[in-house]
Amino acid sequence: DQQVKQNSPSLSVQEGRISILNCDYTNSMFDYFLWYKKYPAEGPTFLISISSIKDKNEDGRFTVFLNKSAKHLSLHIVPSQPGDSAVYFCAASANDYKLSFGAGTTVTVRA
Amino acid sequence: DAGITQSPRHKVTETGTPVTLRCHQTENHRYMYWYRQDPGHGLRLIHYSYGVKDTDKGEVSDGYSVSRSKTEDFLLTLESATSSQTSVYFCAISESRQLNTIYFGEGSWLTVV
Repeated sequence: DQQVKQNSPSLSVQEGRISILNCDYTNSMFDYFLWYKKYPAEGPTFLISISSIKDKNEDGRFTVFLNKSAKHLSLHIVPSQPGDSAVYFCAASANDYKLSFGAGTTVTVRA
Repeated sequence: DAGITQSPRHKVTETGTPVTLRCHQTENHRYMYWYRQDPGHGLRLIHYSYGVKDTDKGEVSDGYSVSRSKTEDFLLTLESATSSQTSVYFCAISESRQLNTIYFGEGSWLTVV
């Protein structure tokens, strides 16, 4: 049973606007969350992370929000750029070095 | 880019044949992982290693074995390939248990016919 879920397989957004990607999890033991970005024919690359002791982490155009009570996190990309077109994976860990991934959301940024 | 090389990058094999995928790193990192990526599932951990000759199972380890005789090499073996093992396989490495330091290779596309 998948413990990390990304319920939107795809997202289309206009260049310059905000992209919001959502992720839900079921395991209450998860205490560290990450977002990865993946281009076709390449491996995933780390984007941003957040610990369960925080509710927000920001890095440039990327902000991750964590709502522990709802077991929900989201990634905001502002402003969206054409190079942001990729698959985004949400991942979580329960105090170990193993990651559980969501199925991914494909983001397309339109010019 | 982290020094991770996966080989082969693409392979087509027949059901029932053994297949070995190799992950080679030049970073001298302690931890190495094998994941598979399938549509609708994201990436799932097959096996991981926390040192030479120290390995453990991930969530989808059935039908796979691994070996790590040297720090730099982590081998994934499909003893008798099945069509359900058609997938993209990613190796990853990390220096520590800090999860934001995990780096992935470029992937190996395996098709079992």
